[in-house]
Amino acid sequence: GAGVSQSPSNKVTEKGKDVELRCDPISGHTALYWYRQSLGQGLEFLIYFQGNSAPDKSGLPSDRFSAERTGGSVSTLTIQRTQQEDSAVYLCASRTRAETQYFGPGTRLLVL
Amino acid sequence: QKEVEQDPGPLSVPEGAIVSLNCTYSNSAFQYFMWYRQYSRKGPELLMYTYSSGNKEDGRFTAQVDKSSKYISLFIRDSQPSDSATYLCAMSAGTNAGKSTFGDGTTLTVKP
Repeated sequence: GAGVSQSPSNKVTEKGKDVELRCDPISGHTALYWYRQSLGQGLEFLIYFQGNSAPDKSGLPSDRFSAERTGGSVSTLTIQRTQQEDSAVYLCASRTRAETQYFGPGTRLLVL
Repeated sequence: QKEVEQDPGPLSVPEGAIVSLNCTYSNSAFQYFMWYRQYSRKGPELLMYTYSSGNKEDGRFTAQVDKSSKYISLFIRDSQPSDSATYLCAMSAGTNAGKSTFGDGTTLTVKP
């Protein structure tokens, strides 16, 4: 079946602009995660959605970052007033049983 | 200090060698331990998943967890050029704990 998909694959934007990144999880997966991966670094947790529960936003680095998940499926990560330090790969993952997270290919964001 | 520390590498080995990848952690609550493989410009893919202490074997891959020492390892036997990738360890406190905490990754190159 289809895996986790993310769009766009690449995004180049100017400092100060807003960007929206989209994640389509695997159908039926109730948990959805956003991570950020900077060059040569591991994954930094951003936000976690589980069913209808309030999201865990503890990893969002500033109030410029927000995310929503509509209808328990598609999620959008929004970064307002982008800064150059926001340049990274943004990864989405969804999960079914236990801790087996399935990752999408990521969105590569470059802020000029 | 980070909760999860991973041997930084990079690691370069000849084809057929045994590879050992290692992580240490500080959070005693971690119960689930994962290894992900990430090819260049791709999202991480789950390689091995272990609950609590012990060994788990899958083909050429063996995962070891020693909770008393807070130390986990991934062994790759008969390494192949196709194993060349970045390997990320990850761990979490439980099914309902949401996020996983990742190491920074070790880049492995297997030379033919």
